[in-house]
Amino acid sequence: ILNVEQSPQSLHVQEGDSTNFTCSFPSSNFYALHWYRWETAKSPEALFVMTLNGDEKKKGRISATLNTKEGYSYLYIKGSQPEDSATYLCAPTNTGFQKLVFGTGTRLLVSP
Amino acid sequence: ETGVTQSPTHLIKTRGQQVTLRCSSQSGHNTVSWYQQALGQGPQFIFQYYREEENGRGNFPPRFSGLQFPNYSSELNVNALELDDSALYLCASSLFGVDQPQHFGDGTRLSIL
Repeated sequence: ILNVEQSPQSLHVQEGDSTNFTCSFPSSNFYALHWYRWETAKSPEALFVMTLNGDEKKKGRISATLNTKEGYSYLYIKGSQPEDSATYLCAPTNTGFQKLVFGTGTRLLVSP
Repeated sequence: ETGVTQSPTHLIKTRGQQVTLRCSSQSGHNTVSWYQQALGQGPQFIFQYYREEENGRGNFPPRFSGLQFPNYSSELNVNALELDDSALYLCASSLFGVDQPQHFGDGTRLSIL
């Protein structure tokens, strides 16, 4: 069983603050790491899929890095906006098919 | 481009009954995965279908079964429902490959009385 840990569990920041979250996972048999954003009353939305050690991906104000040797990924949000309020989930896979193992997520609340 | 749609949105069943949940994949996708999300947890992988065959399975008993049809739509069937089966069931479609992002539907909320 793949043990995926995300921290912090929840975060409350002010509009304009920058923030980051951590996803930790076993480094053995790594295939890929997915990040998803899940807003209340909506479906999870794919942010990034990362496969290579040292990968860095960026989408607007959101970026992510990956360290497969030590088993962690960081998600950064620059200049948080209220619309960034959501639960951010990471999901590595250690198999050759898309068996994503989700963490419990980081719940972000951005106040105006 | 039509996204992933799931039906029904909500369902109430009693213990011992059987249920079928349905999912229409996003156009062009050939792979569908099903997840169960219990309260306070992240989604748990149930199984994945590729080209109408089960391509991988999570830690769920055989009473959870599925189908994928030639048009890539899919069903999740659960027999002998138990109280612990109460959860949000999510369907996700994608192209085949671990580096492919999954596109999720809004889910079916199943309540077992």
